[in-house]
Amino acid sequence: DTEVTQTPKHLVMGMTNKKSLKCEQHMGHRAMYWYKQKAKKPPELMFVYSYEKLSINESVPSRFSPECPNSSLLNLHLHALQPEDSALYLCASSQGALNTEAFFGQGTRLTVV
Amino acid sequence: ELKVEQNPLFLSMQEGKNYTIYCNYSTTSDRLYWYRQDPGKSLESLFVLLSNGAVKQEGRLMASLDTKARLSTLHITAAVHDLSATYFCAVISYSGAGSYQLTFGKGTKLSVIP
Repeated sequence: DTEVTQTPKHLVMGMTNKKSLKCEQHMGHRAMYWYKQKAKKPPELMFVYSYEKLSINESVPSRFSPECPNSSLLNLHLHALQPEDSALYLCASSQGALNTEAFFGQGTRLTVV
Repeated sequence: ELKVEQNPLFLSMQEGKNYTIYCNYSTTSDRLYWYRQDPGKSLESLFVLLSNGAVKQEGRLMASLDTKARLSTLHITAAVHDLSATYFCAVISYSGAGSYQLTFGKGTKLSVIP
């Protein structure tokens, strides 16, 4: 199983809503990542979890709140988002070692209205 | 701060032609990745280059890595329409606490025309 599964695939939310994005992998990977990708731009790193602990937070606004309940799951809680937060949110995982590749999920297309 | 530069950013090429995409990076790293992304889709891993002089080929695509020059190339041979996509290179760096992160180039949007 080399899959990273993200749900939902599409999400439309209002600026006062609270929603969560979910990511799951069963490859035994110990590092999991959230990336944000705007149209026609490269992915930008948001958060890195290593061994279920947050190791990097790339100055992301507090309206995004990550959570890693266990080594297979990664959530991104969303609250009071702005229209400019609309983007493709990608989850990835890797073994965490230098010479292993990152596997990406299919992404969640988020639209904030 | 690690910087990754790709060129060209846009590439329109005819079917059957050859071309090379370049990826330069600013600090020492001997791990480089190439990804393909179709519109509205996620990233598909193409190549993992793990050492200086590494060369990998898959179909009409061949990737190489020169860590001394901090340069990777993605060569396209006899392009076909199905290769139309955006190609990203990404360089890995250590981000502390036993984890690593990828820094992406801006991507090369490839259009193969008949």
